[in-house]
This record gives sequence, structure tokens and C-alpha cells, in this order.
Amino acid sequence: EAQVTQNPRYLITVTGKKLTVTCSQNMNHEYMSWYRQDPGLGLRQIYYSMNVEVTDKGDVPEGYKVSRKEKRNFPLILESPSPNQTSLYFCASSPEQGTYEQYFGPGTRLTVT
Amino acid sequence: AQSVTQPDIHITVSEGASLELRCNYSYGATPYLFWYVQSPGQGLQLLLKYFSGDTLVQGIKGFEAEFKRSQSSFNLRKPSVHWSDAAEYFCAVAKWAGTALIFGKGTTLSVSS
Repeated sequence: EAQVTQNPRYLITVTGKKLTVTCSQNMNHEYMSWYRQDPGLGLRQIYYSMNVEVTDKGDVPEGYKVSRKEKRNFPLILESPSPNQTSLYFCASSPEQGTYEQYFGPGTRLTVT
Repeated sequence: AQSVTQPDIHITVSEGASLELRCNYSYGATPYLFWYVQSPGQGLQLLLKYFSGDTLVQGIKGFEAEFKRSQSSFNLRKPSVHWSDAAEYFCAVAKWAGTALIFGKGTTLSVSS
């Protein structure tokens, strides 16, 4: 089944403890992206990647890192999480830049205490 | 700058009644527009999209949307709402070159019996 998977789905952590949220897609998509969803704000893009080793900042990149070493994987790294990063995170992929339509993973709910 | 406005934060509709969710966008060129639905605890599912051509687009689950350039609108409609349609709905416009989707803040739909 064609899909975008994220792990973990739920995570509670403490301030300053490094964490990684994994994202993987099995559709051979070139483009991948991370969004965060907050009540009343909708979804906002954190980072995106147009292909392996090519990443760029979205609208809210502060406090996050990403890497794209393989086409199928696009992990989101929080090196020193803070409570304002408590949010619902979505990974998305698209066949290629310019295709415009994005396919979303199930989401990861992160709580930072 | 590109933006999407969903004027209604929350709408309640009786089961079997018709539905219209409003979406206004700001974009300098021909927009690529989307409607996504997010059921509780789920990821985002694409309902329909508009790229060009016929301004009335059909989507899944009996939804349709009409693109009106003169009004900068892309309203979502359904003739008869089912209880399972209760969810949060997001309108989105693609950034130039497809590097991101810009989302509205969402409209929560409740369905009463």
C-alpha cells in the first residue's frame, strides 16, 4: 500500500532531551516536507526537501533540523526541545517538485514538558 | 504574499442538509487549490484539487468545489451531509513551484442528528 509512515505516533518528552521523529514513504517520491499543526493556526511548513541531500527552510524552521540521506526517509530532529514545540507534526511527500499535490502521514503528537 | 482564509471556524449542519465551507485565497497567478479533510486522530486526506480547466471540480465522498477567480474563492460543497462527515476541513493553495502548501486555519464541521 502506498503510504507515508511516521514514528512514533505519540511522544511525551522533557525539555532539552534530543528526539527524532522518523518519516518514510514507499512511493519513490522526490519531494518531502514537515508541517506542524497548532490549534487556530492551521498547518505551517517547517522544512522541505526536493531530493536527496537537498533541504530548505519552510516558514517555521527554528529549533528543528532535518536530513535527507535516502530518498524514502526524511527525519525531523529536535536537538533541544522546548514546550513551545508541543504540537501535532505531519510529514508529507509529493512525486516531484511542481506536482503540487501532497500526501500526508498520520501525524505525530509531541508533548514537551 | 500568498494566503488562505477560511472565515468560519466552526459550522454545525443537520444530517441530510447541504453544506458549504468557504475559502478565500490570495495569489498573484493562477492558483493550485486543494481541500483536505482531517478526521479526529487521523492524518489529512485529499478531497479534491483544482489546477485548471473546469471551475467545478468533483472530489471523493460526494464533495465538490467551485473555483471563482473574480471572487478569489474556492468553496467546498456537499448536497447532503452524513454524520461521518464531521471533521476538520482545510483549504490550501500551493506555493509557486510547489515547495509548500499554504493552509487556512481550518473549519470544524459538526453534524447534528
